[in-house]
Amino acid sequence: KNQVEQSPQSLIILEGKNCTLQCNYTVSPFSNLRWYKQDTGRGPVSLTIMTFSENTKSNGRYTATLDADTKQSSLHITASQLSDSASYICVVSPPEGGGNKLTFGTGTQLKVEL
Amino acid sequence: NAGVTQTPKFQVLKTGQSMTLQCAQDMNHEYMSWYRQDPGMGLRLIHYSVGAGITDQGEVPNGYNVSRSTTEDFPLRLLSAAPSQTSVYFCASKERGTGFSPFANTGELFFGEGSRLTVL
Repeated sequence: KNQVEQSPQSLIILEGKNCTLQCNYTVSPFSNLRWYKQDTGRGPVSLTIMTFSENTKSNGRYTATLDADTKQSSLHITASQLSDSASYICVVSPPEGGGNKLTFGTGTQLKVEL
Repeated sequence: NAGVTQTPKFQVLKTGQSMTLQCAQDMNHEYMSWYRQDPGMGLRLIHYSVGAGITDQGEVPNGYNVSRSTTEDFPLRLLSAAPSQTSVYFCASKERGTGFSPFANTGELFFGEGSRLTVL
């Protein structure tokens, strides 16, 4: 069974600090790995999409890395802001299918405090 | 550009009642899908559609029906609601991605704001 595991489950940091969220997956081979941000009571919003041949992708203060050999990805948030408080979800997709095979992690709940 | 619109945002049902969650997108996406999100679990696929007139089951389809008569709309029907269907439901549509297959997985997935359903 394909699995996506995220750590930590929750994290509290002070505004302005950096943090790194982890994602380990067993889907192999895979087509792409995505990171989503989900604010409380809202739908997930895409941050990055990386194919198996990419090892880093940035979106503003968010930088995702991918190590296909160890099947690990990380999402690094730089100079955190209060608005970064959200759940961050890692999603992995195998090569077959049209998006119907996406496997979602359970997310890391990030809280940024003053 | 409204994106993906879901209605209603909140609904309370009694066991055995039926209802329809509405989903509409204005991005001309061929692919649409329904997910449910439960505490401690990742989003799980209920049903999906790769175009008007075409639907298929996802990971957790039991108790739900879908149809796709137009590109824009993809309603989800609960036939006889059960407490186990208490959840937050998300509709999503996906743009066509790159790659050789028209259904390549690299397309951006856009989610609606969710519909919170409680079944008593």
